[in-house]
Order: sequence, then structure tokens, then C-alpha cells
Amino acid sequence: DARVTQTPRDKVTEMGQEVTMRCQPILGHNTVFWYRQTMMQGLELLAYFRNRAPLDDSGMPKDRFSAEMPDATLATLKIQPSEPRDSAVYFCASGGQGGTDTQYFGPGTRLTVL
Amino acid sequence: GENVEQHPSTLSVQEGDSAVIKCTYSDSASNYFPWYKQELGKRPQLIIDIRSNVGEKKDQRIAVTLNKTAKHFSLHITETQPEDSAVYFCAASIGFTGGGNKLTFGTGTQLKVEL
Repeated sequence: DARVTQTPRDKVTEMGQEVTMRCQPILGHNTVFWYRQTMMQGLELLAYFRNRAPLDDSGMPKDRFSAEMPDATLATLKIQPSEPRDSAVYFCASGGQGGTDTQYFGPGTRLTVL
Repeated sequence: GENVEQHPSTLSVQEGDSAVIKCTYSDSASNYFPWYKQELGKRPQLIIDIRSNVGEKKDQRIAVTLNKTAKHFSLHITETQPEDSAVYFCAASIGFTGGGNKLTFGTGTQLKVEL
């Protein structure tokens, strides 16, 4: 049963530090999404890629966040410098197999910025 | 862009009763409507989805109905059990050719099934 994987699962860091989150999409999926979830904001789309090309990153604070897909098996989300308001759970999802819109979520990275 | 509204934000039912969660969408071009269940501390998991060429879909105790004219869709859970307690999200997408289109999510419904 193929699943999206994410690392790390938990990250505690201090304000100002760089944070890198990684995602491995399901093999064969051509689309990768990054979401942020907080109690107040629900599921917020930050960025997404199709065939490794960025399609939309309008949900992402550009000054500190960056998302890349260096190859088909790895997507990264970086925050530099991190701030306490970035504390949230970050989910990666993949999809697009067979021309469908179904998305499958990874387990998430719980980020705490002190 | 697409906007999805979800109601209620919290729902409490007695075990064995039915639960209904409703969503409305704004863009008539939307044609794919999934529902996700998220248990505390876990990932959102797809539980059922429906496409715009179908009015209703059932999977055991779960059903989804779609009214394209009114632009709303609903999740129905019958014979609720304590393990149904979770947050449920609806979503919609405008399914451009090729798939992998972005989903617009509702704000979630916290369902609590009480013994």
C-alpha cells in the first residue's frame, strides 16, 4: 500500500533558524501539494507542482518560504528564517495518477518555532 | 477562484444516529468533490468522492449526494459509531484535463459521536 512519506515528523527549533521539510510522493503521481494546517486556518494550500514544475505558490510567504522539487521522488519546503507564527503541521500530498484529482496526504511535519 | 463553505463547524450525535455535513461551492465548473476524515494527530484520509456526472454515491455507512444546480454536496453517515469521531473536510476541484488539479477545502466539521 503506497503512501506519501514526510520527514521529519516533528521539529522544534528556535526563531531565526532554517527549517527544511521533505516529502516523497507516491511513485507514479505527477502532482505534489504542500499544505499548512493550524487550528485557526484549517488546511491552507502553500504551493504545488506538476511534473516537478511549480504551478502555484501564491499561498506561500515568499520572503521566507521556498518550495522545490529537485527530482520526481523528492519535494522540499524550506523556511528561512523561521518565526513563531510558522508553528503548524505541514502536510505534503501527491496525486494526479490516471488523470484524477484525488490527493493522498503524508503524515505531516509538526513544526514548533520557539 | 473557487470558494467552499462547510456547515456545521461542530456536530454532536448519539451513537447509532445519522450525521449530515453540508458544503456549498461557488464555481459551477467544479466537477470533483472528495471528503476527507482526519483523526486527531493523523493525516487527512479520503473516505469517499463523487464526480459531477453522478448524483449520489454510497460506501457502506457513508454516502455523498451532489446537487449541481444548487451547487451543494453533502456527506451522510448512518449508524454512527464512536470511531466516526473526527474532523471531516469537504473539497472541490475544477478538473482540468490531465488531473492533479488543486482542491479547495472547506473549513472542517468536528464530529463527535457520544455513547
